[in-house]
Amino acid sequence: GESVGLHLPTLSVQEGDNSIINCAYSNSASDYFIWYKQESGKGPQFIIDIRSNMDKRQGQRVTVLLNKTVKHLSLQIAATQPGDSAVYFCALNNAGNMLTFGGGTRLMVKP
Amino acid sequence: DSGVTQTPKHLITATGQRVTLRCSPRSGDLSVYWYQQSLDQGLQFLIQYYNGEERAKGNILERFSAQQFPDLHSELNLSSLELGDSALYFCASSVARRGGRDTGELFFGEGSRLTVL
Repeated sequence: GESVGLHLPTLSVQEGDNSIINCAYSNSASDYFIWYKQESGKGPQFIIDIRSNMDKRQGQRVTVLLNKTVKHLSLQIAATQPGDSAVYFCALNNAGNMLTFGGGTRLMVKP
Repeated sequence: DSGVTQTPKHLITATGQRVTLRCSPRSGDLSVYWYQQSLDQGLQFLIQYYNGEERAKGNILERFSAQQFPDLHSELNLSSLELGDSALYFCASSVARRGGRDTGELFFGEGSRLTVL
């Protein structure tokens, strides 16, 4: 079955710097990818998604890059702020909405 | 605030007991999902309901069951509880189109933290 993994369990960045969170997946048939943010004590919150017919998608301060050749996904956060401190999950959307989540990366923003 | 309400927020019980977790989806959302989040397993999909009917099933134990009622709220029943069932249980909802591909934008509640002693 599919698996979704993350390269770094914890990422510490200085406020104002850009953050890059990476994710690898194993199922080459996956065609839809999503990033979620989970703040302490809260449920995951949708950030941005991308389908396999795209290699880049931008939102407000966030960009998701998809490299299907190496089965790699990244989330870039520009001008990281203290409010960005959270755990970030990448997920694959299987049939329907059965999301397979990665293990998560904790982003810590230093003031 | 995601608009998804889960109760109770915290629950402490003993092994062998049974508990019911409740979820009210966002207004208008027809699909409800249940996820389990534990330290060693991460976020695991349990089950999905769409407009009262089971739509997808993940790694849900036979001791666990769920249902979605006509008013679209859902309940997750956990029975014969074991220490390893201690986890955060999240409910999420989405609009979920009939047929075709759903979006990955699920709206999660704040979870019910279950502690089994």
